[in-house]
Amino acid sequence: KQEVTQIPAALSVPEGENLVLNCSFTDSAIYNLQWFRQDPGKGLTSLLLIQSSQREQTSGRLNASLDKSSGRSTLYIAASQPGDSATYLCAVCLTQGGSEKLVFGKGTKLTVNP
Amino acid sequence: GAGVSQSPRYKVAKRGQDVALRCDPISGHVSLFWYQQALGQGPEFLTYFQNEAQLDKSGLPSDRFFAERPEGSVSTLKIQRTQQEDSAVYLCASSLVGTRYYNSPLHFGNGTRLTVT
Repeated sequence: KQEVTQIPAALSVPEGENLVLNCSFTDSAIYNLQWFRQDPGKGLTSLLLIQSSQREQTSGRLNASLDKSSGRSTLYIAASQPGDSATYLCAVCLTQGGSEKLVFGKGTKLTVNP
Repeated sequence: GAGVSQSPRYKVAKRGQDVALRCDPISGHVSLFWYQQALGQGPEFLTYFQNEAQLDKSGLPSDRFFAERPEGSVSTLKIQRTQQEDSAVYLCASSLVGTRYYNSPLHFGNGTRLTVT
């Protein structure tokens, strides 16, 4: 059974700091890996999607890497801002037949202090 | 509407009552998903539709849970004889084709928070 673990569970940093969020998964048979952001009381917003054949994706101040063989991904946030405060969720996409599903970690709650 | 819309936003049900949760996906989106998110946890997969076909319902916790998408657009998640352990946020998501495709991101609604007393 695929399990996704995110470390740390919570992180508090001062504004301007660069930071790394970690995600690990137990089964390398994934189709892709996605990072999401969730604000309190809201749904999830897709940040980055890395196909299983790719090594990294970048969007603005965000960079996500994927090492499928070791079952690890990292999300790097450069020059953090208070508006980055949210819970960040990692999810791996599994496919079987015509179906697909995401298996999520529990998330890392990030607080960026002004 | 620009995004995925879910209603009601909040639902309080007494144990044993039936509830129906509605999801309006983005117009034209083929794929629709339901996820359950307990407090402090990541979302867990419930079921997946491609148009009106329910291709995967392996995540539904029990036969009290039922989902439908009869015309391939709006979907309803129904929970019969609610139990306290059903209390969670129920998230609906849609994508144009499927998350397997790079240019088809998943769009989530804000969810329905169900509290069973």
